[in-house]
Amino acid sequence: GNSVTQMEGPVTLSEEAFLTINCTYTATGYPSLFWYVQYPGEGLQLLLKATKADDKGSNKGFEATYRKETTSFHLEKGSVQVSDSAVYFCALTYQGAQKLVFGQGTRLTINP
Amino acid sequence: GAGVSQSPSNKVTEKGKDVELRCDPISGHTALYWYRQSLGQGLEFLIYFQGNSAPDKSGLPSDRFSAERTGGSVSTLTIQRTQQEDSAVYLCASSGDRDPSYEQYFGPGTRLTVT
Repeated sequence: GNSVTQMEGPVTLSEEAFLTINCTYTATGYPSLFWYVQYPGEGLQLLLKATKADDKGSNKGFEATYRKETTSFHLEKGSVQVSDSAVYFCALTYQGAQKLVFGQGTRLTINP
Repeated sequence: GAGVSQSPSNKVTEKGKDVELRCDPISGHTALYWYRQSLGQGLEFLIYFQGNSAPDKSGLPSDRFSAERTGGSVSTLTIQRTQQEDSAVYLCASSGDRDPSYEQYFGPGTRLTVT
């Protein structure tokens, strides 16, 4: 079936550290890949997406590259801020289905 | 402009009672989705509407769960004879296109607690 696996959290970093949150997927065909973020007390919002192999999604200093050969979509940021503290969800949609399939989420805490 | 709205924001109900959760999508969005976020299960898809029809109901966990959408706009998720395992945050999302890579916009959710 179609599924997403994220690195387990929680992740705690100091401000200005480099961030990587791993995400791998299993899917038939050519899925579209997403990172959603949920800030404390707020709803889910799209952070970035990529719809085909080798595409790079980017937003707010975050980047993720669609790697078909390794079925991965790892989230990276070069220098995190306290305001990046949130829960991050990797997700996919696949041909023939409209729904998002989510990973389990990774809670990120950035300390000043 | 207005985003996706959901009501109520919180609902506490006794086991065995019925509850209705409401979602108001972004105006003009034809696609509407219900998801459930719980500690044990993460984020799960429940049902997808395109217009007033529901081509994918595969995520509804039991026949106690049903949903409808009228006028291509507001949707109601109904849970009959609630159980404690139904306690979760119920999220609604909408999108403006049939393309599954199109962004889904989420509402703030309804936190349901079954006592």
